[in-house]
Amino acid sequence: SQKIEQNSEALNIQEGKTATLTCNYTNYSPAYLQWYRQDPGRGPVFLLLIRENEKEKRKERLKVTFDTTLKQSLFHITASQPADSATYLCALVHQGGKLIFGQGTELSVKP
Amino acid sequence: NAGVTQTPKFRVLKTGQSMTLLCAQDMNHEYMYWYRQDPGMGLRLIHYSVGEGTTAKGEVPDGYNVSRLKKQNFLLGLESAAPSQTSVYFCASSPVDAVSTDTQYFGPGTRLTVL
Repeated sequence: SQKIEQNSEALNIQEGKTATLTCNYTNYSPAYLQWYRQDPGRGPVFLLLIRENEKEKRKERLKVTFDTTLKQSLFHITASQPADSATYLCALVHQGGKLIFGQGTELSVKP
Repeated sequence: NAGVTQTPKFRVLKTGQSMTLLCAQDMNHEYMYWYRQDPGMGLRLIHYSVGEGTTAKGEVPDGYNVSRLKKQNFLLGLESAAPSQTSVYFCASSPVDAVSTDTQYFGPGTRLTVL
C-alpha cells in the first residue's frame, strides 16, 4: 500500500545549525511534493513545492531536495532560529490531485 | 481577505448528537477539502469538492456528510457523533486541483470532542 513517512521523533537542534527533515514514500510516483509548516493550534501553511524533474528548490533559508530514485525528500533550514520551531509536514499528490500528508516532524530550535 | 475561516473553533458533543462545521473562503477558490488530524496520524482527507454543487469522498468519509451549495462555503456534517470522531478538523481550499496549483490554504481548525 502507499505510505509516507516522516521522522516520528522530534528533532532538537541548536540555534544557528542546519535542521534536516526527511520524508520517505513508497508505492507512489508523485508529480510533485510539498512542504508545510504547522504551529500549535493552527492550520498548516504552505512553504515550498518541488516537482519530480527538479532536484533542488530554495527559498531564503529553506532548501528542499527530491530524489525520485530513493523516493525521498529532504527539507533543510539553514541558520535555524527559535522562531523556526514548529511541526513540518510533507505532502504528495495522489490521483485526482488530492494531497496525502505525512504525519509531520516536530522541530525545536534552542537558543 | 480573511482567507479560510472555520466555525466553531471548539465544540463538545455527546455520543449520538449531530452538528455541522462551517468552512468559508473568500478567495474564489474552486476546490475545497475537509481533513481530520489525529496525533501520529497526520492529516487525512474526509471529503472534498471540485466546485459548487459537487462533493466526493476522500480517505475516511464514513460517518460524515458534506455539502457545497455555494462556492465559498463547504459544510461538514456529523449525523450521529461517535467518540472516534474526536479530532481536530481542518478545512482547506485551492484555486484548482492540486496538480495545477502550488498550494492549499488551510483554516485555523475546529477542535471537536465527543464524549
